[in-house]
Amino acid sequence: DAEITQSPRHKITETGRQVTLACHQTWNHNNMFWYRQDLGHGLRLIHYSYGVQDTNKGEVSDGYSVSRSNTEDLPLTLESAASSQTSVYFCASSEGSGQDEQYFGPGTRLTVT
Amino acid sequence: AQKVTQAQTEISVVEKEDVTLDCVYETRDTTYYLFWYKQPPSGELVFLIRRNSFDEQNEISGRYSWNFQKSTSSFNFTITASQVVDSAVYFCALSENVDSSYKLIFGSGTRLLVRP
Repeated sequence: DAEITQSPRHKITETGRQVTLACHQTWNHNNMFWYRQDLGHGLRLIHYSYGVQDTNKGEVSDGYSVSRSNTEDLPLTLESAASSQTSVYFCASSEGSGQDEQYFGPGTRLTVT
Repeated sequence: AQKVTQAQTEISVVEKEDVTLDCVYETRDTTYYLFWYKQPPSGELVFLIRRNSFDEQNEISGRYSWNFQKSTSSFNFTITASQVVDSAVYFCALSENVDSSYKLIFGSGTRLLVRP
């Protein structure tokens, strides 16, 4: 069965370190998204990609970057982790762009100390 | 102003009660899409339904039903005869065209607790 996976599921890191969160999907979807979930805010879009070599900034992109070298993977990098980036991160993919339903990964809980 | 408002932060009901989760959205687009997602205690997000702005028919799926009313910009979700397994956070979301692409905007969620 097709799926979307994220790793690690939990990560503790120190302020200032570079962190990369992995996202891998086997749906063969062109569109992939990264969100962060914080209490009181729902999910907010960080970055998204509509295909290989395509990346775009979302609502809360400062301090984050993504790269898309193949269809299956969209890693999210925190260049210099800050305590404000402590959150739960979700990766998602969809067949169409934002008007189609998105399938979400299980999430990565990141703590920046 | 919030694009998607879920005014009910938390709702608690007793099993078998009916419960309605409210969702009010704001958009200037004529073409847009509305979604509901469920996030159970395990944390994953589960897609429940998608509606486009041209389809105002109410939808029923088992104990779940959705009432889409463009006149009031609402897309409410009703669970009939609630069960403990319905306990979760429910998110309403709007997808509208921003800068030539559709992006999903989530409400802040409603936590539903169904007590036995």
